[in-house]
Amino acid sequence: AQKITQTQPGMFVQEKEAVTLDCTYDTSDPSYGLFWYKQPSSGEMIFLIYQGSYDQQNATEGRYSLNFQKARKSANLVISASQLGDSAMYFCAMRASTAAGSYQLTFGKGTKLSVIP
Amino acid sequence: EAGVTQFPSHSVIEKGQTVTLRCDPISGHDNLYWYRRVMGKEIKFLLHFVKESKQDESGMPNNRFLAERTGGTYSTLKVQPAELEDSGVYFCASSQVGGLNSPLHFGNGTRLTVT
Repeated sequence: AQKITQTQPGMFVQEKEAVTLDCTYDTSDPSYGLFWYKQPSSGEMIFLIYQGSYDQQNATEGRYSLNFQKARKSANLVISASQLGDSAMYFCAMRASTAAGSYQLTFGKGTKLSVIP
Repeated sequence: EAGVTQFPSHSVIEKGQTVTLRCDPISGHDNLYWYRRVMGKEIKFLLHFVKESKQDESGMPNNRFLAERTGGTYSTLKVQPAELEDSGVYFCASSQVGGLNSPLHFGNGTRLTVT
């Protein structure tokens, strides 16, 4: 079974500073994908960044980067130069195969990020 | 390109009533998923369609939940009869392919409140 752990229920960061949101995962499957989603107060789930289990380099997308440490089973999200619009819930998720041949996402509980002006 | 749309955005019903949620995936996306988040808990997988077929319905909580995707386009999720513990946010997502590296595109969710 897959499991995602996000140990920070809430985080505060000063505007323009960088922040790291923690995520650890557990799976016995050698092939998996790691995703981060952002959920603003409006409710939609916005895909941010993806890291494959066999990717050698850390993924980056604009101000988002994923600090992937495979041996530690961690996939922390780093947001550089925080903006007020970054205030939202952030979910770490893992996609791995299931017995039914599907690739369902397993989510963590989320981290609520608040950016302070 | 229109995103995943869900209807209604909110629904308040009494215990024992029936509710039907609708999801329109992104055009051309064969894979459609339903997830739900009950208050204070993780977002949990319910089921996965590939076109009109149920690929994986291992997350469906019980037989009060019925999902359909006739014609492989939009999908409905019916809860009948609704119970208090069914309250939560129901998300629909779609993807063009079903592989590990394919991100799911989510709708805004339907917030269901059962009183």
